[in-house]
Parts: sequence; structure tokens; C-alpha cells
Amino acid sequence: AQSVSQHNHHVILSEAASLELGCNYSYGGTVNLFWYVQYPGQHLQLLLKYFSGDPLVKGIKGFEAEFIKSKFSFNLRKPSVQWSDTAEYFCAVISVFNTDKLIFGTGTRLQVFP
Amino acid sequence: DAGVTQSPTHLIKTRGQHVTLRCSPISGHKSVSWYQQVLGQGPQFIFQYYEKEERGRGNFPDRFSARQFPNYSSELNVNALLLGDSALYLCASSLQGNQPQHFGDGTRLSIL
Repeated sequence: AQSVSQHNHHVILSEAASLELGCNYSYGGTVNLFWYVQYPGQHLQLLLKYFSGDPLVKGIKGFEAEFIKSKFSFNLRKPSVQWSDTAEYFCAVISVFNTDKLIFGTGTRLQVFP
Repeated sequence: DAGVTQSPTHLIKTRGQHVTLRCSPISGHKSVSWYQQVLGQGPQFIFQYYEKEERGRGNFPDRFSARQFPNYSSELNVNALLLGDSALYLCASSLQGNQPQHFGDGTRLSIL
């Protein structure tokens, strides 16, 4: 069965620090990968997605993620975080050939202090 | 453009009751999915409907059912509510199953 692991449950950073959130998935076939963000009091929003092509994808608000197929990983990065990045971040995966289920990780809560 | 809308926003029920949650997708989106999110966890997939047909079902008991209407809106029904059904229920829509999903604000269901 597909699963997604997010290793960092709670991350605390100061503004301007660099961010990397880990995401690993288990699935042998071709997948599409997503990072969603949930700001306090708001609904889940798409941050970025990987379907194919360049494994380094750029999303909104300066975020990027790198797909490493050999490691089944899709880590999220940002060079310099801001207080407004405080949110919960979810990694998600869906099989290209069985597109009925979007599988989410447990999420990482990011707190950024000024 | 209106996003995904869900109703009601909050609901309080007692054990054994039945509940119906509603979702209107973004205009033009034909795929609707339902998720359950309990505190501290990521959303768990319940159902996906595409063109009014069930395309996928997660690991949830038969007390959970759903349907999609000709206008692509959807209902999630839960019978014989248990305390463990207390959660945020999310609806998401997309153009097709593997396209990025757009989420609504959810329905907060509390079971007493």
C-alpha cells in the first residue's frame, strides 16, 4: 500500500533561517507528488507539484522541492523563511495509473519566530 | 471564481445519529474527493467520485457512503455515528483524478 512519511513533526526556526522538510513515499510505480500548506484558519492550498520533467520544482512564495526517484523522496526547501510561513505542511502522493487516492503524510508544523 | 464550498461549517451530533455533509466543487471540476482529518494527522482519503461514479474508496467502514449529483456536487453520509468519527471532513475537487486538488474549508463534526 502507498504511504507517505514526513519525518519532522514540528520545526521551529527563526526568520531568515533555511528550511528543509523531509518527505518519503513508498510506491513502486510512477507517481505525482504534491506539497500542500495550511495556514492558521485557512484551507489546504497547493504549494507545488511534480508530475514529470525537471526534478527540481518551484512553487509559490519561494518554496521549491526536489524529487529524487532513487530515494523515493520529495523534500521541501526554502532558503530564507519568514514569520508568515508559519503553517502546517503536508506532502502527498498519487499514483499516475491509479488516480483515485491522494495519500497524505502526517504533516509538519512549522513555527517561525521573528 | 468561487472555490470549493462545504456545508455546514460545524456540526454537533450524538452517537448513533446520521449526518450528511455537502460539497460544491469549483465550476468545471468533475472530480470530487472526501477526506477525514483528525487532529494531528494528515487527511485520510475516504472517497473519490468522477462523473458521478465512485472511482475510489479508502479504508472506511460501510457506515460511510457518498454520491455525486449531475451538477457534480457531492454528499458524504455517515450512519450510526461513533465518538471516533469526530473530525474535520474535507472535500476537494479537481478537473480529473490525478490533477491538483482544491480543498474546501471543511466541516467540523463533533460527536457527543
